[in-house]
Amino acid sequence: DAGITQSPRHKVTETGTPVTLRCHQTENHRYMYWYRQDPGHGLRLIHYSYGVKDTDKGEVSDGYSVSRSKTEDFLLTLESATSSQTSVYFCAISPIGDTIYYEQYFGPGTRLTVT
Amino acid sequence: KQEVTQIPAALSVPEGENLVLNCSFTDSAIYNLQWFRQDPGKGLTSLLLIQSSQREQTSGRLNASLDKSSGRSTLYIAASQPGDSATYLCAVRSQTGANNLFFGTGTRLTVIP
Repeated sequence: DAGITQSPRHKVTETGTPVTLRCHQTENHRYMYWYRQDPGHGLRLIHYSYGVKDTDKGEVSDGYSVSRSKTEDFLLTLESATSSQTSVYFCAISPIGDTIYYEQYFGPGTRLTVT
Repeated sequence: KQEVTQIPAALSVPEGENLVLNCSFTDSAIYNLQWFRQDPGKGLTSLLLIQSSQREQTSGRLNASLDKSSGRSTLYIAASQPGDSATYLCAVRSQTGANNLFFGTGTRLTVIP
């Protein structure tokens, strides 16, 4: 499972509240990613990180921010949750020696419901 | 922008049958293509990765092929088993936006005992 954990695994929150999801890895990988998975859309990249304090936007970054203060943790924050952010969120990593040629490995996911 | 399509969206087969899952993509300028398996309520498990210079990859009963020029990949599953029931996703790493994997919406496979 590439040593990836996500917390919480399930969360229900109200519209307008801030939410932070955590991705933790144990294998010192440089690249980490946040995706969301929605019916009919497949997985879409939200943000990714290529090192401590180095992050960049993905395809669907509006309404999300990220932080990476240490190698093992990548946090995804919804500053003010909306119902359109109800989704399943997946964290992924690429292994050490990252290049575009390497596989990505995924965490177990966080199911977020915004009511 | 890269578009990835998987048809059919769902497939049911009797146990023991050989089957093929299809993946097509619109931009042939890719670095690689990856096939994943996803069980209900679970994360994605990587099955096979094919680099753009390769034609196929094999792992056990699975064989993935890639025809980059035509924008197609297939995943062949031999002698299907009920444990193969899952959703199968393909994802393409494009040469533009190189840190982005573009995913299809998957084929949900059911193998009937």
